[in-house]
Amino acid sequence: AQKVTQAQTEISVVEKEDVTLDCVYETRDTTYYLFWYKQPPSGELVFLIRRNSFDEQNEISGRYSWNFQKSTSSFNFTITASQVVDSAVYFCALSDYTGGATNKLIFGTGTLLAVQP
Amino acid sequence: EPEVTQTPSHQVTQMGQEVILRCVPISNHLYFYWYRQILGQKVEFLVSFYNNEISEKSEIFDDQFSVERPDGSNFTLKIRSTKLEDSAMYLCASVDPKRNTIYFGEGSWLTVV
Repeated sequence: AQKVTQAQTEISVVEKEDVTLDCVYETRDTTYYLFWYKQPPSGELVFLIRRNSFDEQNEISGRYSWNFQKSTSSFNFTITASQVVDSAVYFCALSDYTGGATNKLIFGTGTLLAVQP
Repeated sequence: EPEVTQTPSHQVTQMGQEVILRCVPISNHLYFYWYRQILGQKVEFLVSFYNNEISEKSEIFDDQFSVERPDGSNFTLKIRSTKLEDSAMYLCASVDPKRNTIYFGEGSWLTVV
């Protein structure tokens, strides 16, 4: 069975601190996709990244970076120099690879990030 | 940027009433989904829909739930007789398989009293 675990329920940091959100997943599939979504207080899910299991290269996008470690089944997300606007719930998700984006997403329980000014 | 739109944004209904949540997926998308998020909990898959039929559904999606695409543009989720535990945000999504991208709507908050 597929499962995503986000052990950190809530994290509180002060602006400009770096913060890492952990994600550990379980799947029997050898190929799969991993995702991160941001959910601000307004409720919509904002897509941040999709990574396929073939590609273990770390990715950086501005202040965001992702560390995919297949050996430990982890896909951690780091925000550098956090800002108040980063305050949101962040979800990690997993899906099958076959069929691409048409597969259902299995979400973790989310991590609430509060960035204090 | 194309958008998935959902109506209503909020609805309060009495237990036992029927509710219809509406979604307008992005045109030319072929795969549609409903997810549910109970307040403070994780987002859960309900059902996927392709080629005018359900392609997959979860255990949550019991006989009280139904989906349809009545007119080629709207994609609706109907809850026949709402229960208190149906209170949640319902998220619609559509997929562009060519771009391998999932687009979520802003959600419909349902409160059953």
